[in-house]
Amino acid sequence: SQTIHQWPATLVQPVGSPLSLECTVEGTSNPNLYWYRQAAGRGLQLLFYSVGIGQISSEVPQNLSASRPQDRQFILSSKKLLLSDSGFYLCAWGSSSAGAPNTGELFFGEGSRLTVL
Amino acid sequence: SQQGEEDPQALSIQEGENATMNCSYKTSINNLQWYRQNSGRGLVHLILIRSNEREKHSGRLRVTLDTSKKSSSLLITASRAADTASYFCATDGDSSYKLIFGSGTRLLVRP
Repeated sequence: SQTIHQWPATLVQPVGSPLSLECTVEGTSNPNLYWYRQAAGRGLQLLFYSVGIGQISSEVPQNLSASRPQDRQFILSSKKLLLSDSGFYLCAWGSSSAGAPNTGELFFGEGSRLTVL
Repeated sequence: SQQGEEDPQALSIQEGENATMNCSYKTSINNLQWYRQNSGRGLVHLILIRSNEREKHSGRLRVTLDTSKKSSSLLITASRAADTASYFCATDGDSSYKLIFGSGTRLLVRP
C-alpha cells in the first residue's frame, strides 16, 4: 500500500533562518507531488507541484522553493524565513497516467507546522 | 486565486441532524472533490464527482453537482459527533495536474 511521510511535524524557527521540509512517498512510482500551505483556520494555498523528477511548477512567487531530487521525494526550502512563512505545510501525492492529465484523488501527509518568530 | 468557495464558513448542528455544505467555483472543471480535515491533521479524500455526473452517494454522504451554476453541495446525513471537522471542496479548474481548494466549512456536531 502507498504511504506518505512528512517531517518534521513541528518546528519553530527564527526569522532569517533556513528551512527544509521533506516529504517522501512509498508504494507508488512517478507520482504527482504537491506542497500546500494552510494559514490558521483557512483554506489550502497551492505552492508547488511536480509531475516528474526535476520538474517543478510554482504557483505563488514568494520566499520558498521546491525540489524533487528523486522520484518519490519532494523538498520545500527557504534560504531566509519571514514571519509570513508561518503556517501548516501539507505535502500530497496523486497518481499520474503516463504523462496524461490526471486530477484524481490526492493523498495527504500529516503536515508540518512551522512557526517563525 | 481561490477556485472553490464553501458556504457556510461554519456550521453547528445537533447529532442526528443533516449537514449541508455548498461549494461554488469559477471555471470549467473535469471533476470536483470533497475532502475532510480533522483539526491539525492532513486532509482525507471523501468523494469525487465528475463533470458529467449530477449526483453521487457514499455511505452517509451525498454530493450533487450543477455545472450550469458552477456549484456543488455535500450532504452528511444523520450526523455524528465524529463528523466534526473542516470540509473542503477542490476542483481542477484550468489545469489537469493540480487541485485548487476552497476555504472550507467548519462543521461542529454537538452530542
